[in-house]
Amino acid sequence: DAMVIQNPRYQVTQFGKPVTLSCSQTLNHNVMYWYQQKSSQAPKLLFHYYDKDFNNEADTPDNFQSRRPNTTFCFLDIRSPGLGDAAMYLCATSREQGQPSDTQYFGPGTRLTVL
Amino acid sequence: GQNIDQPTEMTATEGAIVQINCTYQTSGFNGLFWYQQHAGEAPTFLSYNVLDGLEEKGRFSSFLSRSKGYSYLLLKELQMKDSASYLCAVIDSNYQLIWGAGTKLIIKP
Repeated sequence: DAMVIQNPRYQVTQFGKPVTLSCSQTLNHNVMYWYQQKSSQAPKLLFHYYDKDFNNEADTPDNFQSRRPNTTFCFLDIRSPGLGDAAMYLCATSREQGQPSDTQYFGPGTRLTVL
Repeated sequence: GQNIDQPTEMTATEGAIVQINCTYQTSGFNGLFWYQQHAGEAPTFLSYNVLDGLEEKGRFSSFLSRSKGYSYLLLKELQMKDSASYLCAVIDSNYQLIWGAGTKLIIKP
């Protein structure tokens, strides 16, 4: 089945220790997104790629970086995690962007705990 | 600013019908999504509305009124597995997806 896959599902790291979250897709979609979601809050868009074009949201901290080496994979790097970065990180894809009906399809998420 | 309002929490009884409302004020409008999100899981797509009116899909229906900036999600014949959060999201004039905080739906036997 075509899908969005995230690894790991649960990640525990220590304060200040870099961590990388992985996302891959078999949908062959052009656009990949990274969201941060805290409990009972809306998903917050961190950045997205249209193909290899990177788009950073204005309020995304510099502590968060992303890489998309090819169509399939996209990575979220948190350089120095703080306690406030503990959250669910969601990867999503859409076929296109800028089309009204371009539904975003989500992976299962990675729950990050910072000790 | 852009804003999407949904009730924080609702409770309903198994087998009943529930309507979850969403009002929005956004810079432009290019469609509205409803997603279902079970606790600890990712959102899954339920519906998309861009024209006024009702879209029916099995037990779930979604309604849109663009002039009122209003949508609702109607769930019929509620089942225990429908206990989840329901998120409303609007595509604005820049084709950015603006998310509501979600409505937590609790189903009681």
